[in-house]
Amino acid sequence: GESVGLHLPTLSVQEGDNSIINCAYSNSASDYFIWYKQESGKGPQFIIDIRSNMDKRQGQRVTVLLNKTVKHLSLQIAATQPGDSAVYFCAESPGGKLIFGQGTELSVKP
Amino acid sequence: KAGVTQTPRYLIKTRGQQVTLSCSPISGHRSVSWYQQTPGQGLQFLFEYFSETQRNKGNFPGRFSGRQFSNSRSEMNVSTLELGDSALYLCASSPTDPRTGTQYFGPGTRLTVL
Repeated sequence: GESVGLHLPTLSVQEGDNSIINCAYSNSASDYFIWYKQESGKGPQFIIDIRSNMDKRQGQRVTVLLNKTVKHLSLQIAATQPGDSAVYFCAESPGGKLIFGQGTELSVKP
Repeated sequence: KAGVTQTPRYLIKTRGQQVTLSCSPISGHRSVSWYQQTPGQGLQFLFEYFSETQRNKGNFPGRFSGRQFSNSRSEMNVSTLELGDSALYLCASSPTDPRTGTQYFGPGTRLTVL
């Protein structure tokens, strides 16, 4: 079986509520940030990205906010649905390679 | 367009053996990156290839190597397997330089080392 590893932060929300997932990044030189969603047994799926010259970007039901002063990134999901249940990773890109955060497990209660 | 494909999807090996994993990027993508995902360490960058050249490398021992072919397909090889190499190995492709373009992931190859 799986070995014991990182204990992922968990966010539990009611269906229809808004979700906010937070992430702190480490490298001041990072100029590109991405949020990925990973469902069990699948590879990470791109959700939304933002460059360092922006502080907010909106997609369909999702918004990413970037605060470079405190090196913080957040993902807001509007009207969360059961299909949004997954592990969400932020990633920073200081020069091509992606450095991933530990991930947050989002659980949506119907 | 077809997504990133990885073969095989599952693999079981024993300690000391070697393994080769394959990745076919999205058509037209020239950059391929490899990542290792484990419960203990999360997602970690292995290396990135662009136009057949390794351009970035993570902090993994020399037992981990890779290459990219002229059609952008990539392989990674792990020699002298250790139990700790058990992981999900993910390949991601990017249409341009990954410093400016989004990386799209394949489903991964689940490697189990016994």
